[in-house]
Amino acid sequence: ETGVTQSPTHLIKTRGQQVTLRCSSQSGHNTVSWYQQALGQGPQFIFQYYREEENGRGNFPPRFSGLQFPNYSSELNVNALELDDSALYLCASSGNRGQNYGYTFGSGTRLTVV
Amino acid sequence: SQQGEEDPQALSIQEGENATMNCSYKTSINNLQWYRQNSGRGLVHLILIRSNEREKHSGRLRVTLDTSKKSSSLLITASRAADTASYFCATRSGGSNYKLTFGKGTLLTVNP
Repeated sequence: ETGVTQSPTHLIKTRGQQVTLRCSSQSGHNTVSWYQQALGQGPQFIFQYYREEENGRGNFPPRFSGLQFPNYSSELNVNALELDDSALYLCASSGNRGQNYGYTFGSGTRLTVV
Repeated sequence: SQQGEEDPQALSIQEGENATMNCSYKTSINNLQWYRQNSGRGLVHLILIRSNEREKHSGRLRVTLDTSKKSSSLLITASRAADTASYFCATRSGGSNYKLTFGKGTLLTVNP
């Protein structure tokens, strides 16, 4: 059983650029969520995908968008990067939309915007 | 916005001692989960307690939940240096919104 894999592990981008982060969910999991974790803070929910559809979104602007593919892998896209977007981006997968089950998290992508 | 607030923010103990971390939250929940994070990397799920449960055990971990006080505690017994990490509580509210709402975490340092 494979865990959650995220790529890349580190990324440096310039303000105004666009970035795509990728996540492969754990085998058998059909739900993927994305979280942003600023330094010294707890993770903040960005959005969740279940069977290729968004089924929940946190307080993030529309320039944060996502996709889930038929194999349940997912992408997080961020347009017009801002300095405050610098953070650890975590992907988490679960079965059955996470209802009464814990989530399996990936190791994250460290994004630095300069 | 943060739902859970962990207390204390930082805790330093000696190996072999017990560590207790507390979490308070604001709204009604479906379940509460505890996660561990080493050195700013991925989170590891430790334990989940449902809103109709009061106590749960897993190995050296003991979690309690008091929904009337909107609080939870995580007890790690016989701590080890390898337990050094940040610990987060996360709440899942009911309904169709399946997000987890995390607190800011407790940084636990276990000294050998």
